[in-house]
This record gives sequence, structure tokens and C-alpha cells, in this order.
Amino acid sequence: GESVGLHLPTLSVQEGDNSIINCAYSNSASDYFIWYKQESGKGPQFIIDIRSNMDKRQGQRVTVLLNKTVKHLSLQIAATQPGDSAVYFCAETLTGFQKLVFGTGTRLLVSP
Amino acid sequence: NAGVTQTPKFQVLKTGQSMTLQCAQDMNHNSMYWYRQDPGMGLRLIYYSASEGTTDKGEVPNGYNVSRLNKREFSLRLESAAPSQTSVYFCASSARQGLAGGQFFGPGTRLTVL
Repeated sequence: GESVGLHLPTLSVQEGDNSIINCAYSNSASDYFIWYKQESGKGPQFIIDIRSNMDKRQGQRVTVLLNKTVKHLSLQIAATQPGDSAVYFCAETLTGFQKLVFGTGTRLLVSP
Repeated sequence: NAGVTQTPKFQVLKTGQSMTLQCAQDMNHNSMYWYRQDPGMGLRLIYYSASEGTTDKGEVPNGYNVSRLNKREFSLRLESAAPSQTSVYFCASSARQGLAGGQFFGPGTRLTVL
């Protein structure tokens, strides 16, 4: 398949490790944030979201942390599996606004 | 439900040719979007339609036109293709105003302009 991003930052982990993917967002007024996963040859897929009135939200094997002071988001994946290999994007927006602004993405490579 | 579908999956054009990328969603969503994705650039919004009958420019609208044909369908037209429009194009839709729950994406159209 084609490459989603030839020059993306890459995080390489071993199967079973915990992964942390970071994202710096741009607009201090943004109040809604989403993490997407994009596998090779496919469209982005929603993983988890968080509003600015929270600093942590957990899903199944994933946790998103929000630090509004430094405009930073992170996605933690527990017990990373080969199927988690993909490019991960954060996106930000303002409630009521119809547009998402996407980060450039991080490639996660999981080796068995 | 098929979700968001896009046609064609692949296309090769010569400079100056025109084409229309088709997108349809069966989730009864109000809002629809067109993005392009280039290596190292993330997703950039071309046009969006907040509701049936309305369209608005996004970050990179030049060289494109859109039509919100009905609630289900949102097409993207390249009137005179240029090599700079070589990219992967994604259509997306969202249910609620404010994007709560995120956007749902189609599988993409891989376009090459020679």
C-alpha cells in the first residue's frame, strides 16, 4: 500500500509494551480533541475523544491525557499489539465549530 | 450500513483533465467534508458542508468545487487537474454539530495527475 506519510515521526515498540504517542495542539481556545488511527490504505478511524473540562479519559486499552497549560495531548496504548501498528493523528476543534484541525501524525510500529 | 463510500478508489489523470470524486453516506449525517492527505502534511480540509444546501471553503479550496447533491451525497470536482493535486482524497461525515463523536471517514481515492 501507499505510504501515508514518508517523513512522519515514528515510535517503535515491542509487542506487549505500553505506547505513548504525543501531540502538541495549536489553538489554546480548542475545547474538544480526538485521536484517530489510520491503517495503511484506509481512512482514519475514531479511537477516543476528550473535552477540555477533563484531563484524562479512558477507553479499552487506550487513555488520553490532556494538559491545557502546555497545549499537549497524549494517547497511551496498553499492552500494544501488532494490530495497533498504524499512523495516529490528533485533531482539535472548538465546540459548535464544524472543522477539525489535524496534526501531522505519528507512525507506530509494533514488532512481535 | 456501508458508512461512507467513495468512488473511484484509484484514478490517473493527465494535466488539464477534469473529474468528479463521489462520496455518499448512509448514516443520516448532516455534515460532510472533503480532505486531501499528502505525505508529511496530515489531513487538510478542502471544502465542507454543514448541512444540506450549504457549502464552505476549508483550508485548501483552490482548484476544487463541490456539490452537496442531497443529504447523502457530496461530490468534489477538479475542473482542470494539475500535478499538485496528486494526493489521497478522503470524504468524511459527522452526525452532530460540534463534531461530538468525531467524523467518519471513507476509504479514500488515490489520485495521480501526470
